[in-house]
Amino acid sequence: EVQLLESGGDLVQPGESLRLACAASGFTFRSYAMTWVRQAPGKGLEWVSVISGSSDATHYADSVKGRFTTSRDNSKNTLYLEMNYLRAEDTAVYYCGKTRGNSDFSLHYWGQGTLVTVSS
Amino acid sequence: DIQMTQSPSTLSAFVGDRVTITCRASQSISSWLAWYQQKPGKAPKLLIYKASNLESGVPSRFSGSGSGTEFTLTISSLQPDDSATYFCQHCDYFSETFGQGTKVEIK
Repeated sequence: EVQLLESGGDLVQPGESLRLACAASGFTFRSYAMTWVRQAPGKGLEWVSVISGSSDATHYADSVKGRFTTSRDNSKNTLYLEMNYLRAEDTAVYYCGKTRGNSDFSLHYWGQGTLVTVSS
Repeated sequence: DIQMTQSPSTLSAFVGDRVTITCRASQSISSWLAWYQQKPGKAPKLLIYKASNLESGVPSRFSGSGSGTEFTLTISSLQPDDSATYFCQHCDYFSETFGQGTKVEIK
């Protein structure tokens, strides 16, 4: 059974940093691109970043480019999102998602989400 | 960047009604489109991938169609459990923009 478990969400002040983790199980982690998606309170879904299975390619939304870094440790089956210079508008539930693979980047498994609150 | 526009933003229908949600891309995306259902406090659930393929376990009353720039999600006979927000997503190589969502309510 595929499981994704996010952790690391917290209340932080503007300008601070935070690292989220997504522990994966139930599939061959290194074989799939993984995605971070966020959802601000009462708002829609916003794609944040994607990383290839081998980490040779990453891509970010313009809203986080230069501040957020996605990485993965395939030996630990874990995906990370390093968030720096956090802003109030980064407040959201952050989800990790497993892509379907074979060039299909739709997300057929999602974690339960972890809440990041940026406020002074 | 490719923009995804959904319509309507909200819709209200009776149980048993046929419901259609539209998603338009700002340029052709072939069939690289997915549809998700999200209920309050829950993670989204994949319904349709590659525009028209039903995800395993999803009821057959859900269907997707379209290619290029215009896509539709259809619920053939609306059920009470279908009350949710629906999102489309462009899911091509490293370009994964979501539509703004359509809230479906039961009258």
